[in-house]
Amino acid sequence: EVQLLESGGGLVEPGGSLRLSCAASGLTFYNYAMSWVRQAPGKGLEWVSTISSNGGTTYYAASVKGRFTISRDNSNNTLYMQMNSLRAEDTAIYYCAKTGINLVQGVDDFDFWGQGTLVTVSS
Amino acid sequence: DIQMTQSPSSLSTSVGDRVTITCRASQNINNYLSWHQHKPGKAPKVLIYATSDLQSGVPSRFSGSGSGTDFTLTISNLQPEDFATYYCQQTYSVPITFGQGTRLEIK
Repeated sequence: EVQLLESGGGLVEPGGSLRLSCAASGLTFYNYAMSWVRQAPGKGLEWVSTISSNGGTTYYAASVKGRFTISRDNSNNTLYMQMNSLRAEDTAIYYCAKTGINLVQGVDDFDFWGQGTLVTVSS
Repeated sequence: DIQMTQSPSSLSTSVGDRVTITCRASQNINNYLSWHQHKPGKAPKVLIYATSDLQSGVPSRFSGSGSGTDFTLTISNLQPEDFATYYCQQTYSVPITFGQGTRLEIK
């Protein structure tokens, strides 16, 4: 059974940093691209970033490019998101999502989501 | 960026009803369209990918159709556990974009 467990969320002041983790189990992690998606309070889903299966290629939404860095450790089946220069508008639940095997130009189907971790940016 | 427009934004329905949600893309996305179900406090769930392919374990009362720019999610014989928010998503190009969501409410 596939499981994705996010952690690392919390309260941080504007301008601060946070690192999210997504621990994966029940899948051959190194075969799959992975993505982060967020949902701000009262809003819909917003794609944040995707990383290829070997970590060699990354893609970002314009709203986070230059501030967030996606990475992965295939030996430990873990996905990360380093978030720097955080802003109030980054407040959201952050979900990791198992993405497909055949990432083409940064896209493939999602097929499983984690339960999310809440990030609150406030002074 | 490809804009995804869902309608309606909310729908008041009853158990047993047949529901149709539409999603329109701002440009041709071929069949690179997925549907997700999301309940508060829960992980989103993939229902359909590639316009009409049912994700493993998803009940057959869910179906998807469409092509090009216009897509539809249909739920037949609505069940109590189906009251949730539904999102379409295009996986044709980066940035990946979602519709604004359709909330199904109990009438």
